Amino acid sequence: EVQLVDSGGDLVQPGGSLRLSCAASGFIFRSYWMSWVRQVPGKGPEWVANINQDGSERHYLDSVAGRFTISRDNADNSMFLQMNSLRVEDTAVYYCARGGPWGTYPTVHWGQGTVVTVSS
Amino acid sequence: EVVMTQSPATLPVSPGERATLSCRASQSVSTNLAWYQQKPGQPPRLLIYGASTRAANTPGRFSGSGSGTEFTLTISSLQSEDFAIYYCQQYNKWPPYTFGQGTKLEMK
Repeated sequence: EVQLVDSGGDLVQPGGSLRLSCAASGFIFRSYWMSWVRQVPGKGPEWVANINQDGSERHYLDSVAGRFTISRDNADNSMFLQMNSLRVEDTAVYYCARGGPWGTYPTVHWGQGTVVTVSS
Repeated sequence: EVVMTQSPATLPVSPGERATLSCRASQSVSTNLAWYQQKPGQPPRLLIYGASTRAANTPGRFSGSGSGTEFTLTISSLQSEDFAIYYCQQYNKWPPYTFGQGTKLEMK
Protein backbone atom coordinates (compact mmCIF):
# COMPACT_ATOMS: atom_id res chain seq x y z
CA GLU A 1 0.00 0.00 0.00
CA VAL A 2 1.32 3.43 -0.97
CA GLN A 3 1.93 5.64 2.05
CA LEU A 4 3.10 9.24 2.10
CA VAL A 5 3.69 10.77 5.51
CA ASP A 6 4.27 14.49 5.42
CA SER A 7 5.58 16.45 8.38
CA GLY A 8 7.33 19.64 9.43
CA GLY A 9 4.48 22.14 9.32
CA ASP A 10 4.46 24.80 12.02
CA LEU A 11 3.64 28.39 12.89
CA VAL A 12 6.36 30.70 11.60
CA GLN A 13 6.75 34.45 11.31
CA PRO A 14 6.83 36.22 7.95
CA GLY A 15 10.33 36.07 6.53
CA GLY A 16 11.06 32.85 8.39
CA SER A 17 12.02 29.39 7.13
CA LEU A 18 10.60 25.91 7.40
CA ARG A 19 11.55 22.48 6.03
CA LEU A 20 8.84 20.00 5.17
CA SER A 21 9.55 16.28 4.89
CA CYS A 22 7.77 13.40 3.22
CA ALA A 23 8.45 9.76 4.03
CA ALA A 24 7.33 7.38 1.29
CA SER A 25 6.69 3.65 1.40
CA GLY A 26 4.82 0.94 -0.46
CA PHE A 27 6.26 1.69 -3.91
CA ILE A 28 9.59 2.05 -5.70
CA PHE A 29 10.24 5.67 -4.74
CA ARG A 30 13.10 6.25 -7.18
CA SER A 31 10.82 5.44 -10.13
CA TYR A 32 8.34 8.30 -9.72
CA TRP A 33 8.03 12.04 -10.02
CA MET A 34 7.09 13.62 -6.72
CA SER A 35 5.33 16.89 -5.95
CA TRP A 36 4.25 19.27 -3.24
CA VAL A 37 0.72 20.63 -3.51
CA ARG A 38 -0.85 23.12 -1.10
CA GLN A 39 -4.39 24.04 -0.28
CA VAL A 40 -5.90 26.94 1.59
CA PRO A 41 -9.04 25.77 3.42
CA GLY A 42 -12.08 26.44 1.24
CA LYS A 43 -10.00 26.80 -1.94
CA GLY A 44 -8.85 24.44 -4.65
CA PRO A 45 -5.46 22.73 -4.48
CA GLU A 46 -2.44 24.60 -5.84
CA TRP A 47 0.59 22.78 -7.23
CA VAL A 48 3.81 24.12 -5.70
CA ALA A 49 6.77 22.16 -7.05
CA ASN A 50 7.82 18.83 -8.49
CA ILE A 51 10.98 16.81 -8.99
CA ASN A 52 11.87 13.98 -11.32
CA GLN A 53 13.24 10.60 -10.39
CA ASP A 54 16.91 11.50 -9.99
CA GLY A 55 16.44 15.12 -8.98
CA SER A 56 17.89 16.50 -12.20
CA GLU A 57 14.66 18.28 -13.12
CA ARG A 58 12.74 20.54 -10.76
CA HIS A 59 9.87 22.92 -11.43
CA TYR A 60 8.23 25.57 -9.28
CA LEU A 61 5.14 27.70 -9.10
CA ASP A 62 6.20 31.22 -10.09
CA SER A 63 5.24 32.70 -6.71
CA VAL A 64 7.57 30.35 -4.81
CA ALA A 65 10.49 30.16 -7.28
CA GLY A 66 13.65 31.45 -5.65
CA ARG A 67 12.23 30.99 -2.15
CA PHE A 68 11.36 27.27 -2.05
CA THR A 69 13.63 24.32 -2.93
CA ILE A 70 12.37 20.80 -3.56
CA SER A 71 14.75 17.87 -3.09
CA ARG A 72 14.69 14.12 -2.61
CA ASP A 73 16.80 11.32 -1.11
CA ASN A 74 16.15 8.09 -2.98
CA ALA A 75 18.31 6.10 -0.57
CA ASP A 76 15.97 7.10 2.24
CA ASN A 77 12.68 7.24 0.26
CA SER A 78 12.22 10.85 1.30
CA MET A 79 11.34 14.18 -0.24
CA PHE A 80 11.76 17.66 1.19
CA LEU A 81 10.59 21.22 0.67
CA GLN A 82 12.84 23.95 2.04
CA MET A 83 10.77 27.10 2.37
CA ASN A 84 12.57 30.41 2.92
CA SER A 85 11.35 34.01 3.07
CA LEU A 86 7.89 32.79 3.97
CA ARG A 87 4.94 35.08 3.37
CA VAL A 88 1.47 35.22 4.91
CA GLU A 89 0.07 34.00 1.59
CA ASP A 90 2.08 30.77 1.91
CA THR A 91 -0.24 29.71 4.74
CA ALA A 92 -1.90 26.43 3.70
CA VAL A 93 -2.03 22.69 4.16
CA TYR A 94 0.93 21.24 2.26
CA TYR A 95 0.57 17.79 0.75
CA CYS A 96 3.32 15.46 -0.39
CA ALA A 97 2.12 13.79 -3.56
CA ARG A 98 3.22 11.08 -5.97
CA GLY A 99 2.87 11.44 -9.70
CA GLY A 100 3.85 8.92 -12.33
CA PRO A 101 6.89 7.74 -14.26
CA TRP A 102 6.80 10.92 -16.34
CA GLY A 103 5.77 14.50 -15.71
CA THR A 104 2.60 14.52 -17.76
CA TYR A 105 0.71 12.43 -15.25
CA PRO A 106 -2.01 13.07 -12.67
CA THR A 107 -1.38 13.32 -8.93
CA VAL A 108 -2.08 9.73 -8.01
CA HIS A 109 -1.40 9.56 -4.27
CA TRP A 110 -1.50 12.21 -1.57
CA GLY A 111 -0.21 12.41 1.98
CA GLN A 112 -2.48 13.54 4.79
CA GLY A 113 -1.00 17.04 4.77
CA THR A 114 0.98 19.23 7.15
CA VAL A 115 -0.18 22.69 8.20
CA VAL A 116 2.01 25.71 7.57
CA THR A 117 0.87 28.96 9.17
CA VAL A 118 2.78 32.16 8.46
CA SER A 119 1.74 34.88 10.85
CA SER A 120 3.23 37.44 13.18
CA GLU B 1 -0.99 29.11 -17.46
CA VAL B 2 -4.06 26.99 -18.23
CA VAL B 3 -7.04 28.23 -16.24
CA MET B 4 -9.57 25.59 -15.22
CA THR B 5 -13.15 26.72 -14.60
CA GLN B 6 -15.69 24.44 -12.95
CA SER B 7 -19.46 24.79 -12.89
CA PRO B 8 -21.62 24.98 -10.99
CA ALA B 9 -19.91 25.98 -7.74
CA THR B 10 -22.56 24.12 -5.76
CA LEU B 11 -24.90 21.40 -7.00
CA PRO B 12 -27.85 20.38 -4.81
CA VAL B 13 -28.84 16.79 -5.56
CA SER B 14 -30.79 14.00 -3.90
CA PRO B 15 -29.46 10.47 -3.28
CA GLY B 16 -30.22 8.26 -6.25
CA GLU B 17 -30.19 11.18 -8.69
CA ARG B 18 -27.71 11.73 -11.49
CA ALA B 19 -25.14 14.50 -11.10
CA THR B 20 -23.29 16.20 -13.95
CA LEU B 21 -20.28 18.39 -13.20
CA SER B 22 -18.49 20.52 -15.78
CA CYS B 23 -14.90 21.63 -16.21
CA ARG B 24 -13.58 23.97 -18.89
CA ALA B 25 -9.94 24.64 -19.77
CA SER B 26 -8.77 28.00 -21.13
CA GLN B 27 -6.85 26.16 -23.85
CA SER B 28 -6.77 22.59 -25.10
CA VAL B 29 -5.41 20.04 -22.64
CA SER B 30 -6.13 17.06 -24.92
CA THR B 31 -7.32 14.32 -22.57
CA ASN B 32 -4.77 15.09 -19.84
CA LEU B 33 -7.50 15.85 -17.37
CA ALA B 34 -8.12 14.33 -13.94
CA TRP B 35 -10.99 14.48 -11.47
CA TYR B 36 -10.53 14.32 -7.69
CA GLN B 37 -12.93 13.90 -4.80
CA GLN B 38 -12.26 15.59 -1.48
CA LYS B 39 -14.09 15.09 1.80
CA PRO B 40 -13.63 17.32 4.87
CA GLY B 41 -10.31 16.81 6.62
CA GLN B 42 -8.99 14.50 3.90
CA PRO B 43 -6.63 14.96 0.97
CA PRO B 44 -8.02 14.84 -2.55
CA ARG B 45 -8.48 11.35 -3.98
CA LEU B 46 -7.93 10.60 -7.66
CA LEU B 47 -11.14 9.37 -9.32
CA ILE B 48 -10.63 9.74 -13.07
CA TYR B 49 -7.56 10.36 -15.25
CA GLY B 50 -7.05 10.62 -18.97
CA ALA B 51 -10.47 12.35 -18.95
CA SER B 52 -12.34 9.04 -18.85
CA THR B 53 -10.29 6.28 -17.18
CA ARG B 54 -11.41 5.31 -13.69
CA ALA B 55 -8.62 5.10 -11.13
CA ALA B 56 -8.25 2.00 -8.97
CA ASN B 57 -11.14 1.63 -6.52
CA THR B 58 -13.32 4.23 -8.28
CA PRO B 59 -16.88 2.88 -8.40
CA GLY B 60 -18.47 2.29 -11.77
CA ARG B 61 -21.14 4.96 -11.17
CA PHE B 62 -18.44 7.60 -11.83
CA SER B 63 -17.69 8.36 -15.46
CA GLY B 64 -15.70 11.06 -17.21
CA SER B 65 -15.88 12.39 -20.73
CA GLY B 66 -14.57 15.15 -22.94
CA SER B 67 -11.41 16.31 -24.64
CA GLY B 68 -9.77 19.57 -25.59
CA THR B 69 -11.40 22.22 -23.45
CA GLU B 70 -14.71 20.75 -22.27
CA PHE B 71 -15.02 17.95 -19.75
CA THR B 72 -17.76 16.32 -17.72
CA LEU B 73 -17.86 14.14 -14.63
CA THR B 74 -21.08 12.17 -14.25
CA ILE B 75 -22.22 10.29 -11.18
CA SER B 76 -25.04 8.05 -12.35
CA SER B 77 -26.85 7.42 -9.07
CA LEU B 78 -25.64 9.40 -6.09
CA GLN B 79 -24.82 7.53 -2.91
CA SER B 80 -24.54 9.22 0.49
CA GLU B 81 -20.74 8.87 0.43
CA ASP B 82 -20.53 10.85 -2.83
CA PHE B 83 -21.43 14.19 -1.21
CA ALA B 84 -18.08 15.96 -1.34
CA ILE B 85 -16.15 18.55 -3.32
CA TYR B 86 -14.90 17.60 -6.79
CA TYR B 87 -11.93 19.19 -8.52
CA CYS B 88 -10.64 18.90 -12.05
CA GLN B 89 -6.92 19.22 -12.84
CA GLN B 90 -5.04 19.56 -16.11
CA TYR B 91 -1.61 17.98 -16.41
CA ASN B 92 -1.05 18.62 -20.10
CA LYS B 93 0.68 21.97 -20.13
CA TRP B 94 2.89 22.35 -17.10
CA PRO B 95 4.35 23.89 -15.05
CA PRO B 96 2.11 24.73 -13.41
CA TYR B 97 -0.36 21.89 -13.12
CA THR B 98 -3.65 23.69 -12.48
CA PHE B 99 -6.84 22.82 -10.66
CA GLY B 100 -10.35 24.16 -10.88
CA GLN B 101 -11.98 25.90 -7.95
CA GLY B 102 -14.24 22.93 -7.24
CA THR B 103 -17.89 21.87 -7.33
CA LYS B 104 -19.54 21.02 -4.05
CA LEU B 105 -22.21 18.34 -4.18
CA GLU B 106 -24.71 18.98 -1.43
CA MET B 107 -27.80 17.14 -0.40
CA LYS B 108 -31.01 18.66 -1.68
